[in-house]
Amino acid sequence: GQQVQQSPASLVLQEGENAELQCNFSSTATQLQWFYQSPGGSLVSLLSNPSGTKHTGRLTSTTVTKERRSSLHISSSQTTDSGTYLCADSGYNKLTFGKGTVLLVSP
Amino acid sequence: DTTVKQNPRYKLARVGKPVNLICSQTMNHDTMYWYQKKPNQAPKLLLFYYDKILNREADTFEKFQSSRPNNSFCSLYIGSAGLEYSAMYLCASTLGQAYSNERLFFGHGTKLSVL
Repeated sequence: GQQVQQSPASLVLQEGENAELQCNFSSTATQLQWFYQSPGGSLVSLLSNPSGTKHTGRLTSTTVTKERRSSLHISSSQTTDSGTYLCADSGYNKLTFGKGTVLLVSP
Repeated sequence: DTTVKQNPRYKLARVGKPVNLICSQTMNHDTMYWYQKKPNQAPKLLLFYYDKILNREADTFEKFQSSRPNNSFCSLYIGSAGLEYSAMYLCASTLGQAYSNERLFFGHGTKLSVL
């Protein structure tokens, strides 16, 4: 089945710096999604991006389907961006998550 | 109300005892899921209901039961809890069939500790 690898496992930034999160999957992604979980909060869907580039606010996701990878770029990070970012794909009719990237943005 | 509610937030259980976790949503979503999340691991799909049809993952088939008495409610039942069941249990729902392009909504989760 689909396997999803995320990197880095954790990332520490100063406020204002940009973040680049990576997601690699073993098979062609069909419904690549990015999720965010704030500390103590629930998982929230950020965006769905099975291919190409998609923007929402300070977030930009780029998925290169044939290379089986997706990235999430957070520009001008803020302390409120701290939390865990997970990518998931529903290839093989099963939503498979990565372990996530823990982002800490310090003031 | 676009929230998925899970009760309780924290649950203590004894080894060998049953556990019942509750999830509800009022978005009239067709599909409801249960995931298990352990520290430093990816959320793992346990089962999902599409309408009244239950689909359980092969590797957890015998460990978890579920019921969905109506569109809004879905439970996760463990008949005899073991230490390995200690985890966060996440409920999610979506409109339409499983793994459609519809947005997935998650609850806060229930943290189960088995002692």
